[in-house]
Amino acid sequence: SQTIHQWPATLVQPVGSPLSLECTVEGTSNPNLYWYRQAAGRGLQLLFYSVGIGQISSEVPQNLSASRPQDRQFILSSKKLLLSDSGFYLCAWSVIGYEQYFGPGTRLTVT
Amino acid sequence: TQLLEQSPQFLSIQEGENLTVYCNSSSVFSSLQWYRQEPGEGPVLLVTVVTGGEVKKLKRLTFQFGDARKDSSLHITAAQPGDTGLYLCAGYKTDSWGKLQFGAGTQVVVTP
Repeated sequence: SQTIHQWPATLVQPVGSPLSLECTVEGTSNPNLYWYRQAAGRGLQLLFYSVGIGQISSEVPQNLSASRPQDRQFILSSKKLLLSDSGFYLCAWSVIGYEQYFGPGTRLTVT
Repeated sequence: TQLLEQSPQFLSIQEGENLTVYCNSSSVFSSLQWYRQEPGEGPVLLVTVVTGGEVKKLKRLTFQFGDARKDSSLHITAAQPGDTGLYLCAGYKTDSWGKLQFGAGTQVVVTP
């Protein structure tokens, strides 16, 4: 069966510090991978998606970047965090595009 | 602009009552998914509806896709506290390169 992991689960970082969130998927090959951000109790904003190694599409211009160094690894990064980067970050995978499966999320607080 | 409008935004009911959540759009979707999310966790896929007019049942949950594939509803019969969560609808178009359009969510609270 397929599983998706995200770490860390929670993170508190000062403004201006770098960021690296990691997502890995097990049990499937060549998945589509997605990074979302969610405001408290609300819907999901798509940040990045990837259909293959090294292929990244950005949905929203921002302070963040994404990379896919391996087939089942997706990384979200920032060189300098802003207060507005705080939120709940979710990674998801899909094989059939319309059914996405989410990881447990990372709660990021920028202070 | 939110392509998918969910209503209501918040719903608080007593255990045993019924509830309906709506997901509406002016766009046609190839399929529509419903997710439930609990605090501090990722959304969990409940169902996918594909055919206009389709009705799917998952225990006490009934999902319907509109005939024109522009809207959907989720009905919960005899709600239980375990039904509490954020319900999200998401629409998919075949030309969207695997991307979903999410609604803003409906927060459902079921009290004992």
